[in-house]
Amino acid sequence: EPEVTQTPSHQVTQMGQEVILRCVPISNHLYFYWYRQILGQKVEFLVSFYNNEISEKSEIFDDQFSVERPDGSNFTLKIRSTKLEDSAMYFCASSRSERNQPQHFGDGTRLSIL
Amino acid sequence: AQSVTQLGSHVSVSEGALVLLRCNYSSSVPPYLFWYVQYPNQGLQLLLKYTSAATLVKGINGFEAEFKKSETSFHLTKPSAHMSDAAEYFCAVKKAAGNKLTFGGGTRVLVKP
Repeated sequence: EPEVTQTPSHQVTQMGQEVILRCVPISNHLYFYWYRQILGQKVEFLVSFYNNEISEKSEIFDDQFSVERPDGSNFTLKIRSTKLEDSAMYFCASSRSERNQPQHFGDGTRLSIL
Repeated sequence: AQSVTQLGSHVSVSEGALVLLRCNYSSSVPPYLFWYVQYPNQGLQLLLKYTSAATLVKGINGFEAEFKKSETSFHLTKPSAHMSDAAEYFCAVKKAAGNKLTFGGGTRVLVKP
């Protein structure tokens, strides 16, 4: 069964550094998402992406964050200047459509900011 | 804004006993509803979904959930717990128009032999 893959599984970065988290969505999916889960807190929506542009974003997704689909298969989340509070598990998801289709999640990247 | 409440952050059940995980949502319009399961060191796996068809929804691994509009609930049940059901379970809602899933806080299930 096709699945969403995320790399790396764990990323350790110094505060202030840029980090790029990578995702390969399911191949016939058109909508892509990033969520994050800070330890002990709820899974939170960050951004959704469709047709090469952001379709919705949360208040968390400020100017420090950006997303890109650089080629036909990858979907990336960049954090320009990381802060301690960016430490979290980041999940990528994809879905075939926006409406009632479920979102399929990757195993996540654990980001640790030192 | 939508919100999702899962009653009980931890649930302990005996193997073979009923599993009942509670989820209530706040929404003026019935949304799409989902249950996801997360096993240790893994991502979120879809268990089942409600998308305005039958109110009783059957999912994988013997789980089912019932949508009750009058109670704004979407509780998850399994008649007989198995050791492999030990995991964290998340209820999530999505508006009919829009992209984002709003998650509950999760319920961690412990299954005792």
